[in-house]
Amino acid sequence: GESVGLHLPTLSVQEGDNSIINCAYSNSASDYFIWYKQESGKGPQFIIDIRSNMDKRQGQRVTVLLNKTVKHLSLQIAATQPGDSAVYFCAETFPLNKFYFGSGTKLNVKP
Amino acid sequence: KAGVTQTPRYLIKTRGQQVTLSCSPISGHRSVSWYQQTPGQGLQFLFEYFSETQRNKGNFPGRFSGRQFSNSRSEMNVSTLELGDSALYLCASGVVTGEDTQYFGPGTRLTVL
Repeated sequence: GESVGLHLPTLSVQEGDNSIINCAYSNSASDYFIWYKQESGKGPQFIIDIRSNMDKRQGQRVTVLLNKTVKHLSLQIAATQPGDSAVYFCAETFPLNKFYFGSGTKLNVKP
Repeated sequence: KAGVTQTPRYLIKTRGQQVTLSCSPISGHRSVSWYQQTPGQGLQFLFEYFSETQRNKGNFPGRFSGRQFSNSRSEMNVSTLELGDSALYLCASGVVTGEDTQYFGPGTRLTVL
């Protein structure tokens, strides 16, 4: 199947700093992307999504950037807080209605 | 609006047994997908149901099966359990298609002894 990969398995940041989590996808036909946050013992929680006709989308403290040229997705978290500590997954879907998830990046926020 | 619910939350079974997990999607959602999550393999897609029909299937053996009822609730069944089936099984629901946002339930933690 297609692969969705993450550049860094673990990211440590200082509280208050900005965090950037990266994701590479391999299928140029992918047209919808989602970032999820998963805390220990819980299911993945939707953070933000973006469609392939956009290159940037902003939410509350989060921004997703999509670079279709290099098939790269990133999640930016502004003013990272301890509550942001979790595993973050990117997911892509192509027109077969299946989602493919990356392996996840663990974000550690140091107080 | 209530979120996706899954029952049971925890389950312990022995090899060779079979298990049935249940998922109730968000009200109004008709698409239900199932995933297996393990530390080694990450999140892997099992299958997706929409309007009682299996629309997509991942690369899992036939021991894994599912169904969806007319009220959109879904069940998945694993027969002849193996040790490697120990995992967190997650259900996600969406409004219509797999291209809409999927919202996950808390999962069912299955342990096979």
